[in-house]
Amino acid sequence: GQQVMQIPQYQHVQEGEDFTTYCNSSTTLSNIQWYKQRPGGHPVFLIQLVKSGEVKKQKRLTFQFGEAKKNSSLHITATQTTDVGTYFCAGPHTGNQFYFGTGTSLTVIP
Amino acid sequence: GAGVSQTPSNKVTEKGKYVELRCDPISGHTALYWYRQSLGQGPEFLIYFQGTGAADDSGLPNDRFFAVRPEGSVSTLKIQRTERGDSAVYLCASSSATDTQYFGPGTRLTVL
Repeated sequence: GQQVMQIPQYQHVQEGEDFTTYCNSSTTLSNIQWYKQRPGGHPVFLIQLVKSGEVKKQKRLTFQFGEAKKNSSLHITATQTTDVGTYFCAGPHTGNQFYFGTGTSLTVIP
Repeated sequence: GAGVSQTPSNKVTEKGKYVELRCDPISGHTALYWYRQSLGQGPEFLIYFQGTGAADDSGLPNDRFFAVRPEGSVSTLKIQRTERGDSAVYLCASSSATDTQYFGPGTRLTVL
């Protein structure tokens, strides 16, 4: 079956440092989505990437979709305490199933 | 309301009991997903509805789990003969044609 892995599983950074999480799928994805889940909260949609090699930016966040459409990354520049949470990538499989990655938990130390 | 709502927010039950979890999607969203999330894990796909029909129920772990969406709006996830391993947060998400999924706050199920 399809697997979506993310690394690292945990990341602790000092406020102001950069952060990157990597997502790898065992199969080619038609699109990839990123979600953020705050502690005790539910996943909140951040962005969707569709095209091979696509790069999108949201303020300090940069999202990239790999050329082979099997991997993706999320980079946060100059982290803030409001960035704390778990970041998940997710992609569709065989049409209707949706697989979430294992997640990267980000802790920002003030 | 404007978002996805789920009831109850917490459910504590005893092993062997039957439970129903309800999801009210965003009005007009035809797609509805159920997920299960255990502590420290990502959401695990259970079932997908497009309208009234279960378009994909391949994620349901066994025949104790069943979900319905009779009128294409509200959905109910039903779990029979609950087991301790069913304890988790059950998340519902709805979506329109854009594929963006909007999640509800979840129901935390605890099976004693």
